[in-house]
Amino acid sequence: GNSVTQMEGPVTLSEEAFLTINCTYTATGYPSLFWYVQYPGEGLQLLLKATKADDKGSNKGFEATYRKETTSFHLEKGSVQVSDSAVYFCALSMGGSEKLVFGKGTKLTVNP
Amino acid sequence: NAGVTQTPKFRVLKTGQSMTLLCAQDMNHEYMYWYRQDPGMGLRLIHYSVGEGTTAKGEVPDGYNVSRLKKQNFLLGLESAAPSQTSVYFCASNYHRLGHFPREQYFGPGTRLTVT
Repeated sequence: GNSVTQMEGPVTLSEEAFLTINCTYTATGYPSLFWYVQYPGEGLQLLLKATKADDKGSNKGFEATYRKETTSFHLEKGSVQVSDSAVYFCALSMGGSEKLVFGKGTKLTVNP
Repeated sequence: NAGVTQTPKFRVLKTGQSMTLLCAQDMNHEYMYWYRQDPGMGLRLIHYSVGEGTTAKGEVPDGYNVSRLKKQNFLLGLESAAPSQTSVYFCASNYHRLGHFPREQYFGPGTRLTVT
């Protein structure tokens, strides 16, 4: 079946550090890929997405590129801020019912 | 435009009690979903609906029932609550167009349920 594996956390960084959260997927077919973010006490919100190979999603300084050859969708940010502290989820969705399959989440804490 | 709303926000149940969680969306979305979030497990799909009057099982459907009598509402029921159902429940919806790539899902704020 379809699955997503993402980097185990927690991750703790200092402000302005470089961030990478690894995400790889297994899917039968060609999924759309997403990164969702959950701030403390809130629901999930979309951070960025990519729908086909070599697409790059970007938002709020975060980027991720859909790599079909390595089945990966790693999240990166060049300079993190304290306000980026949250839990980040990688997810995939296929056509049809468009159910999301999530990774387990990576908690990021950014210290001043 | 309220997006996706969930009622209630918090609830404590005793083992064996029943309750219904309500999800409402005002975006005219066809598809709706119920997930549960547990520590270290990410989000897991309980049930989903691809249109009014239709429902289907997700990854962890046991102990839950759902109904979608109106397009804008999706109800999740627990007939006899168990401590293993202590979790945070999220509802989500998205707009579907045949032949197009899957779109983002919009999530509600969650319902924190404790079963003692």
